[in-house]
Amino acid sequence: DSGVTQTPKHLITATGQRVTLRCSPRSGDLSVYWYQQSLDQGLQFLIQYYNGEERAKGNILERFSAQQFPDLHSELNLSSLELGDSALYFCASSRGQGASYEQYFGPGTRLTVT
Amino acid sequence: ELKVEQNPLFLSMQEGKNYTIYCNYSTTSDRLYWYRQDPGKSLESLFVLLSNGAVKQEGRLMASLDTKARLSTLHITAAVHDLSATYFCGHGSSNTGKLIFGQGTTLQVKP
Repeated sequence: DSGVTQTPKHLITATGQRVTLRCSPRSGDLSVYWYQQSLDQGLQFLIQYYNGEERAKGNILERFSAQQFPDLHSELNLSSLELGDSALYFCASSRGQGASYEQYFGPGTRLTVT
Repeated sequence: ELKVEQNPLFLSMQEGKNYTIYCNYSTTSDRLYWYRQDPGKSLESLFVLLSNGAVKQEGRLMASLDTKARLSTLHITAAVHDLSATYFCGHGSSNTGKLIFGQGTTLQVKP
């Protein structure tokens, strides 16, 4: 158990819908990272927050947005869902924001869009 | 654009054999991570390599980093079935820490 929690574990929804994925980092960690894992795209970095502020963006679609709240938990919002958004979404957290800080991954949320 | 490439992508080996997984990346870096993923599960951190020449070992796995060659290796010694999993290397951005992953190497160890 990494100490990072994600809810829900599974989510099944229809195309065009909107969902929110939630992540609680390990106690004391200030950075939160979101990654998407799919068969065709592999494991991709989406976005990073550090202490409430956005720090880095990867291949994140405009239909997706995220935020980190004052209690440091983070939410990833996915809207106008398409079949291709079906994937495993991981959240990771680290103490700081540089590469010297090891990232710990949550169990993931499996999103299925039908 | 940074690229991280692993090879092989699939590796089937007999128990007791040795093998190496290679991870090449396209920019200078001294931050390289190795993770293990079991089917349907999350990523488990194996090694953090933070400087040129770093070598770390845990059980039958040993990882090394050569920043001049932009190459990291994960060596498996005397493989056992429990090592069957997918292994990812990830290049860490020095300022943000975001990880760019390779494609993953699926290791299948046969009895």
